[in-house]
Amino acid sequence: AQSVTQLGSHVSVSEGALVLLRCNYSSSVPPYLFWYVQYPNQGLQLLLKYTTGATLVKGINGFEAEFKKSETSFHLTKPSAHMSDAAEYFCAVISGGYNKLIFGAGTRLAVHP
Amino acid sequence: KAGVTQTPRYLIKTRGQQVTLSCSPISGHRSVSWYQQTPGQGLQFLFEYFSETQRNKGNFPGRFSGRQFSNSRSEMNVSTLELGDSALYLCASTPGGNPAGYTFGSGTRLTVV
Repeated sequence: AQSVTQLGSHVSVSEGALVLLRCNYSSSVPPYLFWYVQYPNQGLQLLLKYTTGATLVKGINGFEAEFKKSETSFHLTKPSAHMSDAAEYFCAVISGGYNKLIFGAGTRLAVHP
Repeated sequence: KAGVTQTPRYLIKTRGQQVTLSCSPISGHRSVSWYQQTPGQGLQFLFEYFSETQRNKGNFPGRFSGRQFSNSRSEMNVSTLELGDSALYLCASTPGGNPAGYTFGSGTRLTVV
């Protein structure tokens, strides 16, 4: 069965610092991988996705993620945090041809001045 | 182009009642999925509909049901509400053939008292 593990339920960074949110997945077949962001009282907004091709994926708001098959990882990074990045971030996987997203538990990102 | 619309945004129901939530997908999207989000269990897949047929179902009791209409709008119903059904219910739509194109609505916040 597919699963997603997000290391760190809470991450705190200073404004301007590097953001690194960790995601590891398990899948027996090549996965589709996603990062979503959720602001308070909102739905999920897609930041970026990996399906096939280039393993470094660029998304919205300056975020990017790299698919590393050997490490079964898909960590999310942003070079310089902004106050508006404070939100909850979810990593998700689809595999096996099923239209079902399996989500990690989420990481709440706090950005302080 | 309009996004995924979920109504109502907020709902308060009493234990034992039933509730119906509505989701209007992006125009042209034929697949609609539903997810439940709670602090304890995180984001969990409920079911997916494509062209009025349920294609996939999560591990929820039979009190949770759904349907999809010919215009792709979907409803989910929860009967005999329990306190534990309090959650944010999210709907997502995708054109249908590609699972990598999910767009989420803002959700319906259901509170059971």
